Amino acid sequence: LAKITQPISMDSYEGQEVNITCSHNNIATNDYITWYQQFPSQGPRFIIQGYKTKVTNEVASLFIPADRKSSTLSLPRVSLSDTAVYYCLVGANNNNDMRFGAGTRLTVKP
Amino acid sequence: NAGVTQTPKFQVLKTGQSMTLQCAQDMNHEYMSWYRQDPGMGLRLIHYSVGAGITDQGEVPNGYNVSRSTTEDFPLRLLSAAPSQTSVYFCASSPSLDRAQETQYFGPGTRLLVL
Repeated sequence: LAKITQPISMDSYEGQEVNITCSHNNIATNDYITWYQQFPSQGPRFIIQGYKTKVTNEVASLFIPADRKSSTLSLPRVSLSDTAVYYCLVGANNNNDMRFGAGTRLTVKP
Repeated sequence: NAGVTQTPKFQVLKTGQSMTLQCAQDMNHEYMSWYRQDPGMGLRLIHYSVGAGITDQGEVPNGYNVSRSTTEDFPLRLLSAAPSQTSVYFCASSPSLDRAQETQYFGPGTRLLVL
């Protein structure tokens, strides 16, 4: 099973790009990497998912190197509303081999 | 669609009491799961279900029971609550297991305090 490691917290300022890295050294061949965002008193919400190389959607990019032992969530030009906890999830097929990281608390300052 | 709903939002129990956390989804999703969220530990999978009548254990199943009699509902039962079960509980669903990359939709959570 993949052991997931993320930074506990990060600070940024409005308008900056934020990169949050997740380490998953034991990732399996079938595993995908998914990132969720969570605001206080709410459930996690899907941001982006990828298997390898780069994935981009309207809110974020996900960079995955060739060895897939880490991944980086990139949030362009953050705003105050991006202040939240970000979770990395590694696994496949929605079974009990999926593992969440402990989460990274991002604080965006004015 | 209401998505994934959970009741109650908050509950206080005494040690040894039993209760059921309710979870329902109206998206016709096959897969449903329960997680607990504790400070510094992220979300840990308790039980999951791949369809009506089928359940299986996750990472931390001890002290919890589940059943899945319908596609929509997936209740989590605590038979004899313990202080160690104080946590925030999230229910989630996703369309199916056919694709490895299905995303999960989470409910708003139930905050449980066991005294």
